[in-house]
Amino acid sequence: KNQVEQSPQSLIILEGKNCTLQCNYTVSPFSNLRWYKQDTGRGPVSLTIMTFSENTKSNGRYTATLDADTKQSSLHITASQLSDSASYICVVRFPSGGSYIPTFGRGTSLIVHP
Amino acid sequence: DAGVIQSPRHEVTEMGQEVTLRCKPISGHNSLFWYRQTMMRGLELLIYFNNNVPIDDSGMPEDRFSAKMPNASFSTLKIQPSEPRDSAVYFCASSLAQGGQSTDTQYFGPGTRLTVL
Repeated sequence: KNQVEQSPQSLIILEGKNCTLQCNYTVSPFSNLRWYKQDTGRGPVSLTIMTFSENTKSNGRYTATLDADTKQSSLHITASQLSDSASYICVVRFPSGGSYIPTFGRGTSLIVHP
Repeated sequence: DAGVIQSPRHEVTEMGQEVTLRCKPISGHNSLFWYRQTMMRGLELLIYFNNNVPIDDSGMPEDRFSAKMPNASFSTLKIQPSEPRDSAVYFCASSLAQGGQSTDTQYFGPGTRLTVL
């Protein structure tokens, strides 16, 4: 069964600190992996996307890495800000019957304290 | 662009009642997705359409759930009859899928928070 596991489930850090969120997946075959940020009460917003051949992708203070061999991805947040408080969701897409099905992780809830 | 529009934003109903959720995708997008999000299960794909045609509805939990997309600018998700376990946030998302590529970015609406008493 295709699964996406994220850790930690929740994380509290102080403003200005760095943090790293993890995503492990068993999805096979693999098409691409995307990280979303979801603010409370809103829909998810895409941060980065990586295909099989990419191993790093940056979007401002967000840097995602991918190791397709070990089926692991991480999202690193540099110099955290209060606005980074949100849920971060890892999504892996795999081909199935001519379409591409997304499999979602449960997310990591990040709280940044002043 | 106004983004993906969903209505209503909040819905409270009693068990057994029919519930209809509505979605207007971003103009020009050709794919539309319905998701359900709960604390226990996270985000789950219910069904998605490509060019108004349902492509995969394997995520629809039961026959009580149905979705339609009569045209490129409107879709509905209906639950009849509703049950307390259907309480969740329902998201609609749209994207511009191009020729077999899987890297299209989905843009999510604000969601409809459904509470079934």
